[in-house]
Amino acid sequence: AQSVTQPDIHITVSEGASLELRCNYSYGATPYLFWYVQSPGQGLQLLLKYFSGDTLVQGIKGFEAEFKRSQSSFNLRKPSVHWSDAAEYFCAVGGSGGSYIPTFGRGTSLIVHP
Amino acid sequence: NAGVTQTPKFRVLKTGQSMTLLCAQDMNHEYMYWYRQDPGMGLRLIHYSVGEGTTAKGEVPDGYNVSRLKKQNFLLGLESAAPSQTSVYFCASSFLGGLEETQYFGPGTRLLVL
Repeated sequence: AQSVTQPDIHITVSEGASLELRCNYSYGATPYLFWYVQSPGQGLQLLLKYFSGDTLVQGIKGFEAEFKRSQSSFNLRKPSVHWSDAAEYFCAVGGSGGSYIPTFGRGTSLIVHP
Repeated sequence: NAGVTQTPKFRVLKTGQSMTLLCAQDMNHEYMYWYRQDPGMGLRLIHYSVGEGTTAKGEVPDGYNVSRLKKQNFLLGLESAAPSQTSVYFCASSFLGGLEETQYFGPGTRLLVL
């Protein structure tokens, strides 16, 4: 069965600093990978996804993620964080074994200091 | 186009009471899902549906029932609420259940069971 690990429960950065959120996955074949963002009091919104092709994926709000098969990672990055980026970020991997239900990581809470 | 909506937004129940959470989507999506979100636990799948008239159990189905009588609606029922069911409940939908499918989330329902 697939699994997703987000090693960092909380990340604190200063506004304008760069950001990298880590995601490691376990999956038997080529994974389908997603990053979602949850703003306070809101539902989740898709930031970006990867399922083939270029390993560097561009998303909304200036985010990007890089798929590294050798490291089983799909880390999310942003070169300059804005205060409005403070949110919960979830990594997810598409389902396997005939089930198309994705598996979510436990989330990383991003705190942005002014 | 409202996307995914959830009713109610917030509810307080006493132990043993019953209630139904309503999820509606206007995107003609086949798949619908119910998740619960608890601190440090990420999203856990309760039940899901792959089409009108069908439902299936997810990771944490005990204490919940669901119905999908109409394609656009997915109901989550608690027959006898328990304090352990205090959580934030999210409904989601996707066009199909493919590995690359994006899920669209509602804004959530906060449930407090006393």
